[in-house]
Amino acid sequence: GNSVTQMEGPVTLSEEAFLTINCTYTATGYPSLFWYVQYPGEGLQLLLKATKADDKGSNKGFEATYRKETTSFHLEKGSVQVSDSAVYFCALRVYGGATNKLIFGTGTLLAVQP
Amino acid sequence: ETGVTQTPRHLVMGMTNKKSLKCEQHLGHNAMYWYKQSAKKPLELMFVYSLEERVENNSVPSRFSPECPNSSHLFLHLHTLQPEDSALYLCASSQAIGTPTVGDTQYFGPGTRLTVL
Repeated sequence: GNSVTQMEGPVTLSEEAFLTINCTYTATGYPSLFWYVQYPGEGLQLLLKATKADDKGSNKGFEATYRKETTSFHLEKGSVQVSDSAVYFCALRVYGGATNKLIFGTGTLLAVQP
Repeated sequence: ETGVTQTPRHLVMGMTNKKSLKCEQHLGHNAMYWYKQSAKKPLELMFVYSLEERVENNSVPSRFSPECPNSSHLFLHLHTLQPEDSALYLCASSQAIGTPTVGDTQYFGPGTRLTVL
């Protein structure tokens, strides 16, 4: 079946530190991969996505590369800010079927300290 | 109002109450979704509507009853809930259900925090 595994949090970093949040997936077919972010008290927002192998998604200084050989889509940022504190969700979608639904990971809480 | 809005933001109800959650999208989208977000569990897709027709029901108990009267509004009617139904209920919309080249990015509302006593 299709599933997403991401590292458990919380991840606590100091401001300007390097961030990596690991995400691996299992999928039949050729999934599109996504990172969503949920700030406190808000809904999920799409952060970035990649639709095929070796694509790199990027937004707001965050990057993730679709690695088919390792079935991974790790999220990285070179220098985190306090405002990046949020829960980050990795997700996949395999196209086919009635709804092409998103499959989410459990989320990783990131806390950035000044 | 822009984006996806949900009301109420917080709801406390007893197990014998009947209540409804409301979602409204101002994006001109044709597909709408209900998700359940529980602590330490992945988001669970509950229902999907496309052009006001339900296209997915993910084995959700009948005490949750969705309604989509038009493409801009989605309701979740609740009755005789259980304490384990306490969670954050998220609504989302997308232009279509479609393929990567069609507008299938989902836009989420802020959620309704539901507590069942």
